[in-house]
Amino acid sequence: DTAVSQTPKYLVTQMGNDKSIKCEQNLGHDTMYWYKQDSKKFLKIMFSYNNKELIINETVPNRFSPKSPDKAHLNLHINSLELGDSAVYFCASRRPGTGSTEAFFGQGTRLTVV
Amino acid sequence: AQSVTQLDSHVSVSEGTPVLLRCNYSSSYSPSLFWYVQHPNKGLQLLLKYTSAATLVKGINGFEAEFKKSETSFHLTKPSAHMSDAAEYFCVVSDRGTGGFKTIFGAGTRLFVKA
Repeated sequence: DTAVSQTPKYLVTQMGNDKSIKCEQNLGHDTMYWYKQDSKKFLKIMFSYNNKELIINETVPNRFSPKSPDKAHLNLHINSLELGDSAVYFCASRRPGTGSTEAFFGQGTRLTVV
Repeated sequence: AQSVTQLDSHVSVSEGTPVLLRCNYSSSYSPSLFWYVQHPNKGLQLLLKYTSAATLVKGINGFEAEFKKSETSFHLTKPSAHMSDAAEYFCVVSDRGTGGFKTIFGAGTRLFVKA
C-alpha cells in the first residue's frame, strides 16, 4: 500500500532526449510537489500543484513541465535533457489548507543523463 | 523570510552514545517544523513534527526534538545511537509566506554511527 509511488526508480538516458517521470498518490491529497535532490543531497522544490493551481519555482528551466491528468497524479516531463539534470527527483503530496501537515514522499527517481 | 540552517553537515557518534543534530530557523510567522530522515537510496520519511502544541516532540525510533522559540532552534536528539540510525537528516520549516504556505528544507546532516 504505497502512499506515494514514482516510476521509474532509475532512468538513464542520453542528452537531448525527452523523458517523463510518473507520480501517483493514493492518500486523497490535493497538493502535490516535485523536488530535485542534487549530488550534495540538497533538496529544492521545483513545483507545487494544488487544485489545478501550479506554482513554479522561478529557477526551474522551462524544459521541465508538470502534468496532472487528475488529482492523484502529477507527472514530470523533461525536454532536451542536459547533463546537469542528473539528480534524484522526489514526488510528494500533502493535505491542503494548512502548512502544518507533513509531506509524504515517494521513493525517488534517480535520473542519469549521459 | 524563511530559512533553515543545519549547523553540521556531518555528525559522527559511537553506537550507544547520544545524538544531537542541530537546526536553527527563521520565520516571520508561527512555523511548523519537521525532521525527515533519508536512508541511502531511499525516500524521505517523517521522524517528527512540531505544530504549535507541546514544545517537546517525540518521534519514531526514539528520536525527539525541542522547539525553542527564544533560540529559534529545533534540535533533534536521541539518547542512544543505533547503527541503523546512520542516514541523512533534514530539518524542514513550513509557514505562511507572501505567496501562501512555503516549505524550506535544510541542507541536511549526515549521521555516521561507529561500532
